Amino acid sequence: GENVEQHPSTLSVQEGDSAVIKCTYSDSASNYFPWYKQELGKRPQLIIDIRSNVGEKKDQRIAVTLNKTAKHFSLHITETQPEDSAVYFCAAGPGFQKLVFGTGTRLLVSP
Amino acid sequence: GVTQSPTHLIKTRGQQVTLRCSSQSGHNTVSWYQQALGQGPQFIFQYYREEENGRGNFPPRFSGLQFPNDSSELNVNALELDDSALYLCASSLRTGYNEQFFGPGTRLTVL
Repeated sequence: GENVEQHPSTLSVQEGDSAVIKCTYSDSASNYFPWYKQELGKRPQLIIDIRSNVGEKKDQRIAVTLNKTAKHFSLHITETQPEDSAVYFCAAGPGFQKLVFGTGTRLLVSP
Repeated sequence: GVTQSPTHLIKTRGQQVTLRCSSQSGHNTVSWYQQALGQGPQFIFQYYREEENGRGNFPPRFSGLQFPNDSSELNVNALELDDSALYLCASSLRTGYNEQFFGPGTRLTVL
């Protein structure tokens, strides 16, 4: 079955810096890669996703890249702000079916 | 949006528990996830049109139901201490790639 590894587990940056979180997946059948942000005590919320037929997607300060050959995908946050502080999860799955989540990255943005 | 009840629940080992979820209106698919403290959500199973449609690595004492009125249940029998976790349901439309909208979760503690 699918296995998703996520790094780093914690990431501390200064406000305005960029943050990069990386994930690898094992199942070549996976074709949907969402990223979720989970604030303390709250539900996971989708921030961006990418399908396997696209190599890169951007939404304002957030971008995701996908390398299908290497089975890598990454989240890039530019001009970080304190409100970006949260736990970020990557996930992989075959479309609308089950998602396999990474172990999460705790991002701390210091003013 | 997606709602879940109860918010918190305390049970003792060996008991049975039922958790409830109300999907977003119009969504025909509900997935249940277990999120242990400090971990990513783990897929339990998915229901589509009241039938189980995929299951993760969870024993048969985890079972579910989906009803025609956009509600669903997760039942866990013979509770174990390791079942203590946040249980999340997520609803979606089963057409291609669609965002899974998460509920706020039910925090289950097994003593």
